[in-house]
Amino acid sequence: SQQGEEDPQALSIQEGENATMNCSYKTSINNLQWYRQNSGRGLVHLILIRSNEREKHSGRLRVTLDTSKKSSSLLITASRAADTASYFCATELYGNNRLAFGKGNQVVVIP
Amino acid sequence: DGGITQSPKYLFRKEGQNVTLSCEQNLNHDAMYWYRQDPGQGLRLIYYSQIVNDFQKGDIAEGYSVSREKKESFPLTVTSAQKNPTAFYLCASSMPYNEQFFGPGTRLTVL
Repeated sequence: SQQGEEDPQALSIQEGENATMNCSYKTSINNLQWYRQNSGRGLVHLILIRSNEREKHSGRLRVTLDTSKKSSSLLITASRAADTASYFCATELYGNNRLAFGKGNQVVVIP
Repeated sequence: DGGITQSPKYLFRKEGQNVTLSCEQNLNHDAMYWYRQDPGQGLRLIYYSQIVNDFQKGDIAEGYSVSREKKESFPLTVTSAQKNPTAFYLCASSMPYNEQFFGPGTRLTVL
């Protein structure tokens, strides 16, 4: 089944800096979603972007989607120590109602 | 207090035993999902259900079984046929083609 693939896999930044993660996929999608997971916990939904959308914002988060390149990016601006987590992208195909997850990006924000 | 719950938080299984993981939601969601997460990896779909009394195999269904007798409940049984069951198990629910809401997870260890 299709999977999102995140790049880079691990990121270490100073508090206040921006963090950018990319996700690529292989086939046409209905939507792409980003989730955060703190260590040992369940996933928390961040943003859903549909195939006819190019950019979405939520607080300090900005997600872009380029369907021609089959890629998405997640930008976290002005990072905080509390942003330390793993971030996953997941794709949903048309008529499928199930998600395919990437392996995740581990982000460490140093205070 | 709406949400999705999983129990137990930790579960230990002896080889040859079947064990059942509980997942309950009061969000009135139609769809429910079970995922497996191994260390440093993304989520892999075990089973999902889009409606009561119906469910489909995901990518790694072998050695697992589920039931969906009530809208709120989607228990997962890890059978003795699953040869490497030690993992973190996550349950989720959603309305069709929307974000998924995750439970806190169950960590299963084989002794």
